[in-house]
Amino acid sequence: DVKVTQSSRYLVKRTGEKVFLECVQDMDHENMFWYRQDPGLGLRLIYFSYDVKMKEKGDIPEGYSVSREKKERFSLILESASTNQTSMYLCASTPSSGKYEQYFGPGTRLTVT
Amino acid sequence: DAKTTQPTSMDCAEGRAANLPCNHSTISGNEYVYWYRQIHSQGPQYIIHGLKNNETNEMASLIITEDRKSSTLILPHATLRDTAVYYCIVRVGRGSQGNLIFGKGTKLSVKP
Repeated sequence: DVKVTQSSRYLVKRTGEKVFLECVQDMDHENMFWYRQDPGLGLRLIYFSYDVKMKEKGDIPEGYSVSREKKERFSLILESASTNQTSMYLCASTPSSGKYEQYFGPGTRLTVT
Repeated sequence: DAKTTQPTSMDCAEGRAANLPCNHSTISGNEYVYWYRQIHSQGPQYIIHGLKNNETNEMASLIITEDRKSSTLILPHATLRDTAVYYCIVRVGRGSQGNLIFGKGTKLSVKP
């Protein structure tokens, strides 16, 4: 089974802190994605990466950056956390061939106070 | 980008078939229809996808109309564990890099 793991299920940070959210997948997938999910807004794509060191902005990249130094790991960085970044963050991966379905991690619920 | 329209919520009796509709009238010829579901406090889970033909797997069946403007996800024998939000998604982009645009989905409640 494909496993996508995220470093924390719950995280509480203060405004202005730098926050790292880590995602690791074990299926050698080329593509990885970061979404945030908010009530009434559904899932929104923040960034995605289709190869090591490659990244593309999604729909809402402002206030975020990403890092993909190794194929299995995709990190989301909040340079200076703000309260409006309180959300559920979901990581996903997908192979570059085949059915293209996305495999999601369990999510990290981040609260910024 | 093609948009999808789904009912906000549906109920289904345990053991009965759950039929979840989706409208995607602006879908283009090379766009697939994907279905995912999200059980409370978990990440979304892939269910099934299709282009033109009906599809079936161990989880569900997908019926796509001939004009491709709508589809129906069928859970043949719904259980309480199928209670979740179900998302119908039309996949945009080229190749495997295309992201999935999740709408608000249908909250399916399976009742005993």
